[in-house]
Amino acid sequence: EIVMTQFPATLSVSPGERATLSCRASQSVNRHLAWYQQKPGQAPRLLIYDASTRATGVPARFSGSGSGTEFTLTISSLQSEDFVVYYCQQYDWPPRYTFGQGTKLEI
Amino acid sequence: LQLQESGPGLVKPSETLSLSCSVSGGSISRSSYYWGWIRQPPGKGLEWIANIFYTGSTYYNPSLKSRLTISVDTSKNQFSLNLRSVAAADTAVYYCASHGPPMESFFDHWGQGALVIVSS
Repeated sequence: EIVMTQFPATLSVSPGERATLSCRASQSVNRHLAWYQQKPGQAPRLLIYDASTRATGVPARFSGSGSGTEFTLTISSLQSEDFVVYYCQQYDWPPRYTFGQGTKLEI
Repeated sequence: LQLQESGPGLVKPSETLSLSCSVSGGSISRSSYYWGWIRQPPGKGLEWIANIFYTGSTYYNPSLKSRLTISVDTSKNQFSLNLRSVAAADTAVYYCASHGPPMESFFDHWGQGALVIVSS
């Protein structure tokens, strides 16, 4: 099983600042890495796929980078609605999909 | 594409958890699309459970495989999950979701989730 580790577990930043969230895979997943945003009481929402491609309708302040085992989600100029939980997921094939444990963004 | 989970919200320990996901706005036989289940225990992270293709090809989380069956009903445009011998640790919000072909298998459509509590 590919273990996904996200850090930090909680990130404290201020509105308007930049946030950098990290995700590490226990073995290479090439660029088969997605980021999701989850608001309280809602299903996760796809933000980024293929490590760096924004999903439809995702604001440009969200960007992803990385390949292999190290990945980063950057949110520039944080808005109030961005202070929620973010998950990374590897989607190598055949499916043995695994998620990170999540990073909570707090003010 | 919209997905909607349905099923009992309360299941007794040792019994079988059964959920269905109805797909609207598109055909479940849509070429190259896969259908799956993901769960989230209260206050915890996400765990992939299983996937199915409309032809019937199935993929299971190895840690749950012995208790799982996923199936598809193309005539009803829905797919289903059975999890046998449940325990309190299976209490979670269960999401149905879909993704594209292999190597594009990020989940881009999700249901709203169904809370299932395992308790006597």
